[in-house]
Amino acid sequence: ETGVTQTPRHLVMGMTNKKSLKCEQHLGHNAMYWYKQSAKKPLELMFVYSLEERVENNSVPSRFSPECPNSSHLFLHLHTLQPEDSALYLCASSQVPGSHYEQYFGPGTRLTVT
Amino acid sequence: KQEVTQIPAALSVPEGENLVLNCSFTDSAIYNLQWFRQDPGKGLTSLLLIQSSQREQTSGRLNASLDKSSGRSTLYIAASQPGDSATYLCAVDNAGNMLTFGGGTRLMVKP
Repeated sequence: ETGVTQTPRHLVMGMTNKKSLKCEQHLGHNAMYWYKQSAKKPLELMFVYSLEERVENNSVPSRFSPECPNSSHLFLHLHTLQPEDSALYLCASSQVPGSHYEQYFGPGTRLTVT
Repeated sequence: KQEVTQIPAALSVPEGENLVLNCSFTDSAIYNLQWFRQDPGKGLTSLLLIQSSQREQTSGRLNASLDKSSGRSTLYIAASQPGDSATYLCAVDNAGNMLTFGGGTRLMVKP
């Protein structure tokens, strides 16, 4: 596997379910990000991890819970979601935050909350 | 709070045409600006990154310019092809790789 991978690619869950999204990067980066892309809204940054420490959460509701066990893996734990949480969730990675480094994105997980 | 706007929201051109996509931002204190391409239902592919000290970057048929003082960037695509059809996103970095995205320009290049 190369680049940034995300699993699952598609997920349908009920409002009472608990599920997790997984992201893995194979680029040797040490910063990882979760973004949300809703229909008709710009991409929104949700969480940033730098060297496995969370540095930004951007006022995301507590029903979204990130976890970064090491610099290659990032999870987003989901519980008691709302239908408006249906969106494409994108993971990205880069070198330690700094102005010279591009972010590389995974293919995303399409989440539908019923 | 940084706001990023992209105009037009959608654009349809015949194959071979040269075109310009626009991006504007409200806070000029940026570290860099990045242009991405997104195909339907897919993730983002980085096209060009312009540092705040640079005026432009080129990659193949793509040229991106940055005028930080006026809060503007343009992405120029030369000799457009049907394979260029996608949504193009610009994003600005105000705080060390924490990106603020525009709403995107959906481009259709007709054969």
